[in-house]
Amino acid sequence: DAKTTQPPSMDCAEGRAANLPCNHSTISGNEYVYWYRQIHSQGPQYIIHGLKNNETNEMASLIITEDRKSSTLILPHATLRDTAVYYCIVRVLYGGYNKLIFGAGTRLAVHP
Amino acid sequence: DTEVTQTPKHLVMGMTNKKSLKCEQHMGHRAMYWYKQKAKKPPELMFVYSYEKLSINESVPSRFSPECPNSSLLNLHLHALQPEDSALYLCASSLSVTQYFGPGTRLTVL
Repeated sequence: DAKTTQPPSMDCAEGRAANLPCNHSTISGNEYVYWYRQIHSQGPQYIIHGLKNNETNEMASLIITEDRKSSTLILPHATLRDTAVYYCIVRVLYGGYNKLIFGAGTRLAVHP
Repeated sequence: DTEVTQTPKHLVMGMTNKKSLKCEQHMGHRAMYWYKQKAKKPPELMFVYSYEKLSINESVPSRFSPECPNSSLLNLHLHALQPEDSALYLCASSLSVTQYFGPGTRLTVL
């Protein structure tokens, strides 16, 4: 019941911006978009989340389209340590609790 | 501090063994979660505990038995597992809505 689609892989040169797209055309009005990343064999690491407005923190920026059907995660200056699988996630209400619906993920490779 | 710890890091067990996975957080989070992640797949939710009570069981087979002894600790008891249960088992916790994950336990069932 994945609610997001992502490209399976992307490449980025070190020092350049990495722009990771995500489609979530069936998202409901009160469902948030989350991004996590997972470096090989480690637990997922929270990056950022948003509902309607664009968001920025020390790790990344999240741009959500006005119709909320897609979003883009931006890593402004990618480093080799940013090589990871990036998951675009929709957070839904489920049995009174918040459930993360993971996409299949984008494998980002940052190269020198 | 957003640290969730999990032990052991790796576990190898036979199909007749009984073992337990442990998860701990000291952030005052009241919700804790178990996820299962197969190779090259995203994590899948197994259980949710809220205020030390089991709130959600995603139709997980009874050979997986969760336990929440107190607000900081979450266990997953394993018994009579199958080779297809080999996976990375992740624990997470949350105060409100953002979940913080531990490093996981890599389980191999022989």
